[in-house]
Amino acid sequence: ETGVTQTPRHLVMGMTNKKSLKCEQHLGHNAMYWYKQSAKKPLELMFVYNFKEQTENNSVPSRFSPECPNSSHLFLHLHTLQPEDSALYLCASSQDRRGTVIQYFGAGTRLSVL
Amino acid sequence: QKEVEQDPGPLSVPEGAIVSLNCTYSNSAFQYFMWYRQYSRKGPELLMYTYSSGNKEDGRFTAQVDKSSKYISLFIRDSQPSDSATYLCAMSAPMEGYQKVTFGIGTKLQVIP
Repeated sequence: ETGVTQTPRHLVMGMTNKKSLKCEQHLGHNAMYWYKQSAKKPLELMFVYNFKEQTENNSVPSRFSPECPNSSHLFLHLHTLQPEDSALYLCASSQDRRGTVIQYFGAGTRLSVL
Repeated sequence: QKEVEQDPGPLSVPEGAIVSLNCTYSNSAFQYFMWYRQYSRKGPELLMYTYSSGNKEDGRFTAQVDKSSKYISLFIRDSQPSDSATYLCAMSAPMEGYQKVTFGIGTKLQVIP
C-alpha cells in the first residue's frame, strides 16, 4: 500500500459514455499528478496540481477533464473517448512540486474504450 | 533523439545472477536520477534515487550515475524471482521553479528459478 488509492481498478466504456476516475492520497502531500501509461511508451504526464491549482496541462485533449477539490483528492473526468485512449491511468503525489522529485504512485486504473 | 533511452527488453536471467539495467540520456540539466520498479497490475514504486554522479547502495541494489557519459545503471545482486518486474529509470531537471520528471520506457526483467 503506497498511500495513494485509485478507483476503479478497471473500467470499460463506450465512446459515448461519461465516467470519472478517482484518486485519493493519504500522505499529506500537496502535489498530485495524472499520467497515462501505454504499451511500449514511457509514462506521459497529463496534468499536475500543486496546492489545488493546476500548474501543468501537457496538451491533453479536452475529452479529459481534471478536477482537484482539495490536496487529497484528484479526479479525471472522461467523455467521448477514443479507442486509442485505452491505457493504464496512474495517479501520483509528491510533497510539492518544488520540494521533492519523489512521486508516489497508485495502482492505476486500466481503461478500455470500445 | 529521445531525452531518455531505455532498452525495453525483455531480459531473462537465472536466479542468483547479477542484473545490469541501464539508461542513457541527452539532457545535461538532469540532476536527480531515480529507479522505479513496477510489478504487473501495480503502479511504479520508488527503489532508489541519487543526486548527481556516483554510486548508491541499498541491500542487493546499487544505483550508479555517470554524468560525463550521460549513463545510469541499476545493478541487482543475487537476483530473485520476486525481482521479476519492469524497471523504469526516471530523471528530473529544474524547470521554472519545479523539477520536471522524465521517465524511460521501462525494462521488463524476468528472473527464472
